[in-house]
Amino acid sequence: GNSVTQMEGPVTLSEEAFLTINCTYTATGYPSLFWYVQYPGEGLQLLLKATKADDKGSNKGFEATYRKETTSFHLEKGSVQVSDSAVYFCALSDPTSGTYKYIFGTGTRLKVLA
Amino acid sequence: SQTIHQWPATLVQPVGSPLSLECTVEGTSNPNLYWYRQAAGRGLQLLFYSVGIGQISSEVPQNLSASRPQDRQFILSSKKLLLSDSGFYLCAWRAGGWAGELFFGEGSRLTVL
Repeated sequence: GNSVTQMEGPVTLSEEAFLTINCTYTATGYPSLFWYVQYPGEGLQLLLKATKADDKGSNKGFEATYRKETTSFHLEKGSVQVSDSAVYFCALSDPTSGTYKYIFGTGTRLKVLA
Repeated sequence: SQTIHQWPATLVQPVGSPLSLECTVEGTSNPNLYWYRQAAGRGLQLLFYSVGIGQISSEVPQNLSASRPQDRQFILSSKKLLLSDSGFYLCAWRAGGWAGELFFGEGSRLTVL
């Protein structure tokens, strides 16, 4: 079945540091891939997405590239800010399964120190 | 524009009591709807999803149930809550198209004592 594996957190960085959060997936079809962000006490917000191999999703300085050869979708940001402190979730959707189910990773907590 | 609302935002219930969480989507028709649960410090667990009125798919056997009485209304229920039902419940709807993303509500925090 489909699955998503994320690096465990928490990840603690100083402001302006480079961020990488690893995400790998297993899918039987051709999934779309997503990164969501959750701030304390809130629901999830879409951060970026990619729908096919080699696509790069980007938003608010965050980027992730859909790598089919390594089944990965790592999240990166060149210079993090304190306001980026949140929990980040990698997710996939495999429409070829016909069910439109979304599978989420366990989330990675990011803490950015001033 | 489309919006999604959940209520109540916070709920404290005794073990054995019933539960009803509601979710409503506005600004779209015939959305796919989802209920997820997020336990403390853990990821999202898909509980139910629905592709239309009266059509519910259950992902995890448990004492929860879901109903979709109207096109844009999704209800999560329980007849008797367990301690293990505590968590953060999230409703979501899927945007159209084969690569559509999920849009989440604000969440409902349930504490069972």
